[in-house]
Amino acid sequence: DTEVTQTPKHLVMGMTNKKSLKCEQHMGHRAMYWYKQKAKKPPELMFVYSYEKLSINESVPSRFSPECPNSSLLNLHLHALQPEDSALYLCASSQGGARETQYFGPGTRLLVL
Amino acid sequence: QKEVEQNSGPLSVPEGAIASLNCTYSDRGSQSFFWYRQYSGKSPELIMFIYSNGDKEDGRFTAQLNKASQYVSLLIRDSQPSDSATYLCAVRGPGGYQKVTFGTGTKLQVIP
Repeated sequence: DTEVTQTPKHLVMGMTNKKSLKCEQHMGHRAMYWYKQKAKKPPELMFVYSYEKLSINESVPSRFSPECPNSSLLNLHLHALQPEDSALYLCASSQGGARETQYFGPGTRLLVL
Repeated sequence: QKEVEQNSGPLSVPEGAIASLNCTYSDRGSQSFFWYRQYSGKSPELIMFIYSNGDKEDGRFTAQLNKASQYVSLLIRDSQPSDSATYLCAVRGPGGYQKVTFGTGTKLQVIP
């Protein structure tokens, strides 16, 4: 089973709203990732959690706040977003290690008005 | 120079033909190489990974890696219209083993 789930599938929010994206995996993977993907562009790495600790932050604006409550869950808290933040937000997980493969969830399509 | 380069396409092949997708990377220290398929509006789906020089086959898909030339390719035999998608090449490194860098993707169109 290589399933990563994400909720919600779609989200529309105003620039003053606070919302959260959720990601879950039950594969025992030790690394979890957030990516942002704009139309016709490749996924861009935002954050990496390894063993529930933030290990990579790709200079993401503070209006995006990640959280890893446990090894199976990953959240992305959103606050005061801009219209240009509208994108497909992808969660991925992997076992960890130099040769490990990442498996993606279905994504959350976010529209900021 | 981009870290991972792909021809954006579109690459058009007739149904039943072999589709050949190519990718070059800049970091000689890269260790792991992945091919993802992404349908429009969907998330990337892992279809192949390769670590060692040579060929790796899985069904209709063959990944080829040449580390000396810093080149990785994906061959799709007996192409089907359902293979029409964007194919993303991804390379682990630079920046640590957790960071995977994606190419911009090649759009494949299989013509019935």
